[in-house]
Amino acid sequence: DSGVTQTPKHLITATGQRVTLRCSPRSGDLSVYWYQQSLDQGLQFLIQYYNGEERAKGNILERFSAQQFPDLHSELNLSSLELGDSALYFCASSLRLAGGNEQFFGPGTRLTVL
Amino acid sequence: QQQVKQSPQSLIVQKGGISIINCAYENTAFDYFPWYQQFPGKGPALLIAIRPDVSEKKEGRFTISFNKSAKQFSLHIMDSQPGDSATYFCAASMIDQGGKLIFGQGTELSVKP
Repeated sequence: DSGVTQTPKHLITATGQRVTLRCSPRSGDLSVYWYQQSLDQGLQFLIQYYNGEERAKGNILERFSAQQFPDLHSELNLSSLELGDSALYFCASSLRLAGGNEQFFGPGTRLTVL
Repeated sequence: QQQVKQSPQSLIVQKGGISIINCAYENTAFDYFPWYQQFPGKGPALLIAIRPDVSEKKEGRFTISFNKSAKQFSLHIMDSQPGDSATYFCAASMIDQGGKLIFGQGTELSVKP
């Protein structure tokens, strides 16, 4: 158990809908990363927050957004969902901002868009 | 330049054998190279990591070998066990990019009893 929690574990929804994925980092970790894992794209970085502020963006679609709250939990919002958004979404947390620190992954949310 | 290339895509090893997975990168600004292990239905779990100022790091049966001049690094799993059967990902990150991980495509390892 990494100490990172994600809810829900599974999510099934329809095209055009909006969903929210939630992540609670390990106790004391200030940095939260979101990654998408799909068969064709592999594991891809989406976005990073550090102590409530957005710090880095990757291949995140405009339909997707995220935020980190004062209690450090983070939410990833996916809207106008398309079939191709079906994937595993992981969040990871680490203590510090910079690279070289260990990132611990949560169990993921499996999103299925029908 | 941001890519990390991983090989092989799949690997079958006999119990007790050595599993070797290789990764190559282009961007010399990468300064942190972790390996993750992922079981089906689970999130990636950090196995071992190395910085470019070190050529080798060993933790138990897992060893990372790092060749800075060749821009390559590899994971060696000694005395491979059926419980090691999983997908392994190499990754790389840069300090000035905030630590986001660039992952290889993964290697599915199967250890036969």
